[in-house]
Amino acid sequence: DTAVSQTPKYLVTQMGNDKSIKCEQNLGHDTMYWYKQDSKKFLKIMFSYNNKELIINETVPNRFSPKSPDKAHLNLHINSLELGDSAVYFCASSQDRVNEQFFGPGTRLTVL
Amino acid sequence: GDSVTQMEGPVTLSEEAFLTINCTYTATGYPSLFWYVQYPGEGLQLLLKATKADDKGSNKGFEATYRKETTSFHLEKGSVQVSDSAVYFCALLNPSGTYKYIFGTGTRLKVLA
Repeated sequence: DTAVSQTPKYLVTQMGNDKSIKCEQNLGHDTMYWYKQDSKKFLKIMFSYNNKELIINETVPNRFSPKSPDKAHLNLHINSLELGDSAVYFCASSQDRVNEQFFGPGTRLTVL
Repeated sequence: GDSVTQMEGPVTLSEEAFLTINCTYTATGYPSLFWYVQYPGEGLQLLLKATKADDKGSNKGFEATYRKETTSFHLEKGSVQVSDSAVYFCALLNPSGTYKYIFGTGTRLKVLA
């Protein structure tokens, strides 16, 4: 009965590879987000979808592409991975754009 | 633009000590304010929130009061436990802005037995 789940929890890959991280929420929320947390715990918004529509698209390399097949899912695809992409990526959801967010457990991405 | 400033960590306290983690913000209009907690290896969890001036949020013995005159939302707890060891994030959400959460840099708390 996990509210916001992410897969995989750990992802280790080589530079130049393409990888995806999946996120699902069973809370019936309309809005979902992707965040990147660096090694100093700094948390930065990357994308947000509201009812499958992209509403926040921060200054993120276009190697990162979010996809929302339905309101309950928001996946993150990363092309041509670079060393600097190593971080923990968090998915989150909220009932709407003005309510508190519920976070997934995170995906630790390590690029070698 | 909107911003959140938190005190630098780490903060190390003995069990049963009093905790204050300072948070100040800059925002136009009337933002909502939040404290989130991140335990080791986990995602962030909402600890408490306040949506208007003078509101006090409270949960699990933690409290914070939305002070518009000082643009602050300091987190306090009267007696910390070892299990409170975590990273604490102050955040604001400005509904008259871009609807983006603005997070502080986080403050690591370590409580010693």
